[in-house]
Amino acid sequence: RKEVEQDPGPFNVPEGATVAFNCTYSNSASQSFFWYRQDCRKEPKLLMSVYSSGNEDGRFTAQLNRASQYISLLIRDSKLSDSATYLCVVAGGYQKVTFGTGTKLQVIP
Amino acid sequence: DAGVIQSPRHEVTEMGQEVTLRCKPISGHNSLFWYRQTMMRGLELLIYFNNNVPIDDSGMPEDRFSAKMPNASFSTLKIQPSEPRDSAVYFCASGTSSGNQPQHFGDGTRLSIL
Repeated sequence: RKEVEQDPGPFNVPEGATVAFNCTYSNSASQSFFWYRQDCRKEPKLLMSVYSSGNEDGRFTAQLNRASQYISLLIRDSKLSDSATYLCVVAGGYQKVTFGTGTKLQVIP
Repeated sequence: DAGVIQSPRHEVTEMGQEVTLRCKPISGHNSLFWYRQTMMRGLELLIYFNNNVPIDDSGMPEDRFSAKMPNASFSTLKIQPSEPRDSAVYFCASGTSSGNQPQHFGDGTRLSIL
């Protein structure tokens, strides 16, 4: 089993739609969780951290389920500019991190 | 604020040549990471340093790859000799080891080995 697994997609959704991605991880001792966004031919950029209580940033909501070992990202009212690959990141001690392979989102006009 | 600075941005060279990639982390960050990204394998962690000391190099593919961090503001990733299968985008990222704060990435080096 991979340390971090994501559905590669692509998820093709119309503008204004709500879309959700899940990411599962295998190491129950993982300590920190993040979502990154990567545009084509660009570097990954931090989208948001994921806190145990769940957190929201504008149209984006991230949640953590430690019991089932997954994190989720919900995007409401999708914009064309949301089209990108979303990478799930799981971190342990000493900043040892594992990136998922990413989920590709394409928002369609 | 200056982010992570990588050089060169692009490198095209013939197989067998030595390739050196450079990285300057964000000032104050004490962790530094080298990644390789390809379409087939996604983003792979090659090696990471904490306080200039290599902590985990299990991702380094072969002895042809080596990385150094002589001081807190500079790191190199060297491939010698290079092979066509080393063609990829190489990212450097930095962060702080306290509290598992997120990493910040450089723009990457696009490496093509002919």
